[in-house]
Amino acid sequence: DAKTTQPPSMDCAEGRAANLPCNHSTISGNEYVYWYRQIHSQGPQYIIHGLKNNETNEMASLIITEDRKSSTLILPHATLRDTAVYYCIVSAAGGATNKLIFGTGTLLAVQP
Amino acid sequence: DAGITQSPRHKVTETGTPVTLRCHQTENHRYMYWYRQDPGHGLRLIHYSYGVKDTDKGEVSDGYSVSRSKTEDFLLTLESATSSQTSVYFCAIQPGGRNQPQHFGDGTRLSIL
Repeated sequence: DAKTTQPPSMDCAEGRAANLPCNHSTISGNEYVYWYRQIHSQGPQYIIHGLKNNETNEMASLIITEDRKSSTLILPHATLRDTAVYYCIVSAAGGATNKLIFGTGTLLAVQP
Repeated sequence: DAGITQSPRHKVTETGTPVTLRCHQTENHRYMYWYRQDPGHGLRLIHYSYGVKDTDKGEVSDGYSVSRSKTEDFLLTLESATSSQTSVYFCAIQPGGRNQPQHFGDGTRLSIL
């Protein structure tokens, strides 16, 4: 079972920041948080990941709470092209591989 | 572009026939994965590989086998396809070591009638 909880859907106005929450209250100390998105039926696209510090790249920012039990993905200026299902994933512990367990994600609808 | 090619992109076949899906990468990464995605669900891991001839099962491996005889190719085989295996199949590669993100191909849409 997925280790994360996300709202099933959210709306955001074009040009505004989109803040997508994720709850991962059972996360272990060595588990990372990953965010992916999937547009229509394309392959999931990697966005960002982090362990405990906040992270930023050209796509988004990831804010992880100090207790690591929740995080927020921030798309600073949402566009219509950001409409997608966003998945928050905590990696399965153990081994050298990185077995991702996907939940059902959040459908973000960016409105014009 | 993550350098992943899945083939075929679409396939329709009949119950009981064997089916092989191919995932090809151009960058010689060690780790490769096969997932399936069904309507209303996220992706579920079928099998994965951590090197040539080194593979292991994921959470939904029943009815599937894999092979990796060379670094660049990871094959997923349905020995005798069933209608419950109708799905979209995604391959992923993982550049670097543990905790590095995976990058996904464009998927194969498989219909079993």
